Amino acid sequence: QVTLKESGPALVKRTQTLTLTCTFSGFSLSTSGMRVSWLRQPPGKALEWLARIDWDDDKYYRKSLKTRLTVSKDTSKNQVVLTMTNMDPVDTATYYCAHMNEELLIDYWGPGTLVTVSS
Amino acid sequence: SFELSQPPSVSVSPGQTANISCSADKLGSKYACWYQQRPGQSPLLVIYQDFRRPSGIPERFSGSLSGNTATLTISGTQPMDEADYYCQAWDSYTVVFGGGTKLTVL
Repeated sequence: QVTLKESGPALVKRTQTLTLTCTFSGFSLSTSGMRVSWLRQPPGKALEWLARIDWDDDKYYRKSLKTRLTVSKDTSKNQVVLTMTNMDPVDTATYYCAHMNEELLIDYWGPGTLVTVSS
Repeated sequence: SFELSQPPSVSVSPGQTANISCSADKLGSKYACWYQQRPGQSPLLVIYQDFRRPSGIPERFSGSLSGNTATLTISGTQPMDEADYYCQAWDSYTVVFGGGTKLTVL
């Protein structure tokens, strides 16, 4: 059974760096075809994909946020870490990590974690 | 840039059929997915590859693609189907979501 859970600060200040950790079980990121994505959803707004890391350590980022995002993995701990620099109040959102299968389908989601950016 | 357009809201009476559309240039050459998101919950994949249903998703959920418009159809809509629905496709490696449609069952 695949499960994921996000953890990190609920509140960050403007200009600070956000670090979120996704801890997962039920699959290994060292297995060919496995991927983890990060997404977010501002309150009352639509979903937005942010970044992805693959089993072979390939990384992909949302073009508009590429300079602010870094994704990494610790296979031994079953964790993926997302960092986002220079946080702004418009980055206030629920942040999700999710499993992507071999067909790039987002088939399992974490419960999400709300991050509020104060000015 | 590749953008998916959905109606902001759709209303349906219980037991009736709800259709939610999703359109974009060149969507016809891509696969579309649909997610259901109930208030306070994470999204749930209900349709993938235009019309395929994941295990555990009720048969009343179906999908189709005609031209550059994907459609999610919920037949015999139930009150529990009231939720936000998002279409999703890929633009190269980028995952793109539509703006979401709030389905109201009344």
